[in-house]
Amino acid sequence: DAKTTQPPSMDCAEGRAANLPCNHSTISGNEYVYWYRQIHSQGPQYIIHGLKNNETNEMASLIITEDRKSSTLILPHATLRDTAVYYCIVRPISNSGYALNFGKGTSLLVTP
Amino acid sequence: ETGVTQTPRHLVMGMTNKKSLKCEQHLGHNAMYWYKQSAKKPLELMFVYSLEERVENNSVPSRFSPECPNSSHLFLHLHTLQPEDSALYLCASSQDGGGLPYEQYFGPGTRLTVT
Repeated sequence: DAKTTQPPSMDCAEGRAANLPCNHSTISGNEYVYWYRQIHSQGPQYIIHGLKNNETNEMASLIITEDRKSSTLILPHATLRDTAVYYCIVRPISNSGYALNFGKGTSLLVTP
Repeated sequence: ETGVTQTPRHLVMGMTNKKSLKCEQHLGHNAMYWYKQSAKKPLELMFVYSLEERVENNSVPSRFSPECPNSSHLFLHLHTLQPEDSALYLCASSQDGGGLPYEQYFGPGTRLTVT
């Protein structure tokens, strides 16, 4: 699997957009980019995923560069409840149950 | 019940005890997973079941024994654990097959303390 690199921590003011970067320079053509988050002591929560086009859902937007070597997760209006560890994960298409390789992620602190 | 549920939410057990963790998914998925999360460490995959067959077993000690009786239920049987096995144990499920990258849905976890 391609490796991902994320900053260990970030701060964001409440109401502002939170832009979380991820580098995945060794990504291959059949690998998707996934984002999950984990609020303290809870199970991880799926946010969004994409292959090469930008994606948006009710939680966030995912911007993938044209060369696919990096991506940015955007929380358009961060709230205090968005304080969590955010994980960028690259995984290939697979025909059988496949584990997610969670790294250390980015700890996002949303401040009042 | 909706989503993925896990019981118990908290468990304290001695090293000579035998206990089981239970996971149930109400999403109609056909793959289930056990992950372990120790303090200040990334999540580690333990076991994967797809269509009730174990497809991955990541060098987990034999004192952890998984069981998947059907596509909705997953158990983790524990016996003669060590204090270093204290961790948050997370269950997840996903749809599987067809080569499509389905997302995984996680339960709230069982916080296990081995004394």
